[in-house]
Amino acid sequence: GIQVEQSPPDLILQEGANSTLRCNFSDSVNNLQWFHQNPWGQLINLFYIPSGTKQNGRLSATTVATERYSLLYISSSQTTDSGVYFCAVDTGFQKLVFGTGTRLLVSP
Amino acid sequence: EPEVTQTPSHQVTQMGQEVILRCVPISNHLYFYWYRQILGQKVEFLVSFYNNEISEKSEIFDDQFSVERPDGSNFTLKIRSTKLEDSAMYFCASSDWQGLLSGELFFGEGSRLTVL
Repeated sequence: GIQVEQSPPDLILQEGANSTLRCNFSDSVNNLQWFHQNPWGQLINLFYIPSGTKQNGRLSATTVATERYSLLYISSSQTTDSGVYFCAVDTGFQKLVFGTGTRLLVSP
Repeated sequence: EPEVTQTPSHQVTQMGQEVILRCVPISNHLYFYWYRQILGQKVEFLVSFYNNEISEKSEIFDDQFSVERPDGSNFTLKIRSTKLEDSAMYFCASSDWQGLLSGELFFGEGSRLTVL
């Protein structure tokens, strides 16, 4: 099956810093989503981005489907950005395959 | 904003007991899913459901698991005889399939199951 790898596995930032999270996948995909799992365990939708670039406030994402990767940019990070960031992909069989996540800690 | 709702938020049960987790998907969505996340691990697909039948299931989804849409709004996951290793967060999700492109999945807040 498809492999989804995320890097870095852990990231510690000072408040206000910028960061880039990466998601590599091993096969063509029909769907790619980024999620933020907050400290309460909730999965918050960030982006639905099978290709191209999207922006939402301080967050933006780019998926280069032909090269099988996606990037999540966080600018001016805040403590509330802490948590685990997952990318998840679907190859067309109606199931998302999640990556192992990037654990982000933003300190004041 | 429409959302997926799940109940209960937390359930503690004894090994061997039956558990039913409930979900109300977003009303105009046609595809429904269950995922689970064992503590500290990644989220894993369990099953997808469309048109009142299972369309895809993982190896995890064995005979101890079943899903049902008993009425027009609820979607349930039943674990027949719980085991310690069933302890996990269970997420329900729904999507609006878009032909060749998979629709965006929206997840509920999760039901944390603890098996003692």
